[in-house]
Amino acid sequence: DQQVKQNSPSLSVQEGRISILNCDYTNSMFDYFLWYKKYPAEGPTFLISISSIKDKNEDGRFTVFLNKSAKHLSLHIVPSQPGDSAVYFCAASEGSSNTGKLIFGQGTTLQVKP
Amino acid sequence: DGGITQSPKYLFRKEGQNVTLSCEQNLNHDAMYWYRQDPGQGLRLIYYSQIVNDFQKGDIAEGYSVSREKKESFPLTVTSAQKNPTAFYLCASSIDGGGASSYNEQFFGPGTRLTVL
Repeated sequence: DQQVKQNSPSLSVQEGRISILNCDYTNSMFDYFLWYKKYPAEGPTFLISISSIKDKNEDGRFTVFLNKSAKHLSLHIVPSQPGDSAVYFCAASEGSSNTGKLIFGQGTTLQVKP
Repeated sequence: DGGITQSPKYLFRKEGQNVTLSCEQNLNHDAMYWYRQDPGQGLRLIYYSQIVNDFQKGDIAEGYSVSREKKESFPLTVTSAQKNPTAFYLCASSIDGGGASSYNEQFFGPGTRLTVL
């Protein structure tokens, strides 16, 4: 059973426009969410996170929004740049479990066209 | 420079052989993790360790074994019992794997691509 889902396998946007990547989760105990960026044949790099006590967190061009009632989070990239082309994974954690375990979505491949 | 190293980058194995993947970190992190990535799928947790000399099974531990004798090292052995071992393997670490510090990001190594011939 997939607890974290990224339903869009791919997304293509024009340089300078907004990229919106979506993620849904089913476990209401998740209280910490992260976004990672991954290039082929490399390890993921951390982008941004949000805890369940917030509904928005911003870091430069990256903003993550959390809608707890809908069990949905999204990553906005504004403006999108060609270097943002990569696979983006969302991940969720049940902080109260005290394990630090992350559950990952399947990933969304973002292509930013010049 | 602090970071996580994995070796080798590419590894080939014959069917029926055990193989060990190396993971070393100099970040002084307590927790370490092993994931597997298959094409079109997310990362799936194999094993994790929150402290030296202790480790726990993840979601897909069958056919794998680990050890955590030193804080900086968390090697993964892919045994002949693993039915489909060809995959991209990723090691990660975080400052603390438990308590209030569960709200920590994990840092990943560059990965090892294992191919079974």
